[in-house]
Amino acid sequence: EAQVTQNPRYLITVTGKKLTVTCSQNMNHEYMSWYRQDPGLGLRQIYYSMNVEVTDKGDVPEGYKVSRKEKRNFPLILESPSPNQTSLYFCASSPWTGDEKLFFGSGTQLSVL
Amino acid sequence: GENVEQHPSTLSVQEGDSAVIKCTYSDSASNYFPWYKQELGKRPQLIIDIRSNVGEKKDQRIAVTLNKTAKHFSLHITETQPEDSAVYFCAAQRGSTLGRLYFGRGTQLTVWP
Repeated sequence: EAQVTQNPRYLITVTGKKLTVTCSQNMNHEYMSWYRQDPGLGLRQIYYSMNVEVTDKGDVPEGYKVSRKEKRNFPLILESPSPNQTSLYFCASSPWTGDEKLFFGSGTQLSVL
Repeated sequence: GENVEQHPSTLSVQEGDSAVIKCTYSDSASNYFPWYKQELGKRPQLIIDIRSNVGEKKDQRIAVTLNKTAKHFSLHITETQPEDSAVYFCAAQRGSTLGRLYFGRGTQLTVWP
């Protein structure tokens, strides 16, 4: 089944404790992206990647890191999480070239205490 | 960067009525305009999209119109049903900046039986 898999689904952590949210897609998509969703603010792009080893900042990259060592994986790293990073996070992928439809993962609800 | 504004933030309609959600964008170079639907607790899913060389596109009960001169586009849902209740997001992609997709803040549509 074609899908974008995010883990974990829920995560509660404390300020400063490094964490990684994983994202994997099995559709051979070139493009992958991370968004955070906050009430009243919609979906805001954190980082995106057009291909392996190519990553770029979105609207709200501060406090986040990403890597694209393999085509299928695009992990989101929070080196030192803070309470303002409490949010719902979505990973998405897309063929992009000629078809920009985004396929979203199921989301990760992160709470930073 | 691009700025996408979406109105209204909430919309309530009676079943069978029509619903219209409007978005404006700031960058005249934007050339791709998708609409995503997010049901409660679910991931966003693409419902319709339009490119800048097209003025209108329909898919059964939903349609999108684009006015490039005024830099706005709208989602029209006819004969609304309770299952149309969801948050709807518009977005715009700048043609000059591959990979950057800017979302509006969303519209909570409620369809009352």
